[in-house]
Amino acid sequence: EAQVTQNPRYLITVTGKKLTVTCSQNMNHEYMSWYRQDPGLGLRQIYYSMNVEVTDKGDVPEGYKVSRKEKRNFPLILESPSPNQTSLYFCASSWTGALYEQYFGPGTRLTVT
Amino acid sequence: KQEVTQIPAALSVPEGENLVLNCSFTDSAIYNLQWFRQDPGKGLTSLLLIQSSQREQTSGRLNASLDKSSGRSTLYIAASQPGDSATYLCAVTPPPIIKTSGSRLTFGEGTQLTVNP
Repeated sequence: EAQVTQNPRYLITVTGKKLTVTCSQNMNHEYMSWYRQDPGLGLRQIYYSMNVEVTDKGDVPEGYKVSRKEKRNFPLILESPSPNQTSLYFCASSWTGALYEQYFGPGTRLTVT
Repeated sequence: KQEVTQIPAALSVPEGENLVLNCSFTDSAIYNLQWFRQDPGKGLTSLLLIQSSQREQTSGRLNASLDKSSGRSTLYIAASQPGDSATYLCAVTPPPIIKTSGSRLTFGEGTQLTVNP
């Protein structure tokens, strides 16, 4: 089954404790991206990757890091999480960029206390 | 900067009704527009993708139209069912003028639809 998976689905952590949210896709897609969704602000892009070893900032990259060492994986790293990073996070993938149909993961709900 | 607006924010209808969801965008220079469905606890599911050169796309009971010059799109749902209850989002993509400009979707905040049995 073609899918995008994210782990963990739910996470409660404390300020400053480094964490990683994993994202994996099994469709051999070149493009992957991360979004956060907040009430009143909608979905905003954090980072995206056009292909392996190619990443770039989205609209709200501050406080996040990403890496793309393999085509299928695109982890999101929060080096020192803060309460304002409490949000619902989505990973997405597609064949090439945002020009094609996007496939989204199920989301990760992160709470930073 | 592109802005996408969806009105209404919430809509409640009885089962069987035909309904229209609206999406407007401020910059008509788009490459495509996508409609998504979001269910609670789940990710977004792509419903329809309309290229800027197209006027409409259909999938089953769903029909999406695009009027690029006026910055508007509508999603028409025929004979609504309780299973259609979800949040519907639209998103636009800019044309790939530079190598990365086609890599971003700008989303609206969505319309939360409830179809009552």
